Amino acid sequence: AQKVTQAQTEISVVEKEDVTLDCVYETRDTTYYLFWYKQPPSGELVFLIRRNSFDEQNEISGRYSWNFQKSTSSFNFTITASQVVDSAVYFCALSFGSSNTGKLIFGQGTTLQVKP
Amino acid sequence: KAGVTQTPRYLIKTRGQQVTLSCSPISGHRSVSWYQQTPGQGLQFLFEYFSETQRNKGNFPGRFSGRQFSNSRSEMNVSTLELGDSALYLCASSSPGQGKAFFGQGTRLTVV
Repeated sequence: AQKVTQAQTEISVVEKEDVTLDCVYETRDTTYYLFWYKQPPSGELVFLIRRNSFDEQNEISGRYSWNFQKSTSSFNFTITASQVVDSAVYFCALSFGSSNTGKLIFGQGTTLQVKP
Repeated sequence: KAGVTQTPRYLIKTRGQQVTLSCSPISGHRSVSWYQQTPGQGLQFLFEYFSETQRNKGNFPGRFSGRQFSNSRSEMNVSTLELGDSALYLCASSSPGQGKAFFGQGTRLTVV
């Protein structure tokens, strides 16, 4: 069965702190894709990153970085020097098969609050 | 380029009624997916349509149905509404090769 677990329900940090959001996934497929999305109060999910199962290279984009480890089935997301605008709900998601964006399995989400 | 547009944004219905939600994907996108978001169950996949055909289906009762038109616009219908159907319904569109789904702002359905 395919499953995504985000064990952290809520995280609260003070601005400029670094914060890591954890994501653990389960799948028997050898080809799969992992995503992170951000959901601000307005409701729409904003795409942050996609990784495929054959690419374990870590990625950095500005203050954001992602650590993908197949050995532990984890795809963690770190925000460096957090800002108030980073406050949102963050979702990790998994897809597989031919429709690699049409059917996403989401984790329960982590609510991040960044206080000034 | 316009994003994914969902209408209406808010809806209040009575138990037993039916409702139709609409989603206009990004121009050129042929895949449209629907998700239900509730505080208890989180984000759950409803179904995906591609070129007017249902390509994937989630684990929801038959009261939930959808369709896609030739212009890729999609509608989802919920019949015989229950209180538990109160949720944010999100639509996403994608195009092969782009590698990501784009989401609309959702329709917040309240069943009373």
